[in-house]
Formats: sequence, structure tokens, C-alpha cells
Amino acid sequence: QKEVEQNSGPLSVPEGAIASLNCTYSDRGSQSFFWYRQYSGKSPELIMSIYSNGDKEDGRFTAQLNKASQYVSLLIRDSQPSDSATYLCAVTGNTGTASKLTFGTGTRLQVTL
Amino acid sequence: EAGVTQFPSHSVIEKGQTVTLRCDPISGHDNLYWYRRVMGKEIKFLLHFVKESKQDESGMPNNRFLAERTGGTYSTLKVQPAELEDSGVYFCASSHLPYEQYFGPGTRLTVT
Repeated sequence: QKEVEQNSGPLSVPEGAIASLNCTYSDRGSQSFFWYRQYSGKSPELIMSIYSNGDKEDGRFTAQLNKASQYVSLLIRDSQPSDSATYLCAVTGNTGTASKLTFGTGTRLQVTL
Repeated sequence: EAGVTQFPSHSVIEKGQTVTLRCDPISGHDNLYWYRRVMGKEIKFLLHFVKESKQDESGMPNNRFLAERTGGTYSTLKVQPAELEDSGVYFCASSHLPYEQYFGPGTRLTVT
């Protein structure tokens, strides 16, 4: 079992729709959770961080965390073609590995016109 | 504010040669990380510096890899001697606090 699992996609959504990206993780001691956006050939760009259960909203992005289910998601409202990218879920471990990011393989999002 | 910079952007070397990658973190960031993405795989952690000290080097694959951060500013990652399986994209990231990490553009290493 991978430590961080994501559906590789592609996830195709029409422009203006809500894109829902999901991620599960295996380490119950994970403390911090991040979503990165990566355009082809570019570096990962941090777009959301979440540390406690519930929702966190930032503009068109909402991150949702459920530690009991070991599940974190990213919602993108009013999806735009410029949102087309690979979205990487990353988590940190418990106290001893609090800084080390463990990544999923990413979900490719395609926003169609 | 300038972001994380890495040099070179691309390196092609032959098996057995030595390559040194450089990372300049965001100014004021004490935490510096190296990661690697091998084709088709997820990004994997290599090591973490706090200032000039190695905090965690659990991800370093073997003793052919040597990372340094003299003076707590920029860092270098040397691969000596390089093997074919070392090919991939090497990312550097930095953070002020050990949580939100900002990535550089990466160095694409090809070992032939």
C-alpha cells in the first residue's frame, strides 16, 4: 500500500464546474497536509495547507481534512482552463518526521472549454 | 521576494562521472530540503537541513550522494559516481518554519 494515494486521472471537468480531487494517506500520525499544483515541466507550487479537521477555504480552493478517515480533498470551484495541471497531495509524518513531505503520484486535471 | 533557485536546470553526464547540483533557498529560510522525482514515480524526500545541520537524511539512497550546506545558506548535492538510476529531476525546497515548503524549478539530471 502506498503511503499517499491519489487517482492518477485524468479528471476532466468542464469550465465553470467544480473539480474534486481526493487523497488518502496511510500514516495515522500524519500532522500536516498540503496540495501542490504542478504544470508540465515546472516545479510544484504550494496552493493549500490544512492542519486540522474540517474545511479551509482560499479563493476558489477549499481543502477538506478528515483525519479519522485519513482522507484529504481539494475542491476547485468555477474551474478555469488555467487550472489544468497535476495536483499533488503531500503529507508530513508524526513528530519525528514532521518536516518530511510524502507525496502522492498526483492527479491530472483537465478543464475543458 | 526571490524564490528558490537551482543550478543547473539541466545536466547530462555519463555513468561514472560526478555532478554537483546547487540550490539557493529563499532568503531567511533556515530549512532546506532536497527531493527527487524519478520518471513515473512520486516525488521522494532525500534530506533536510536546518541551517547548516542535517536534520534528517533518511531518504538519501546511498553513499554516492553527498549534501552540504556550508554557512547555512546555499546547498550542494553531489553525486559521485553517477549511475543510470540516478536520472530524474532533483528539487530543492525551503521553508521558514518546517511546514510550508516552497520548491525550486528543479534540475533535470540525465545519466547516460
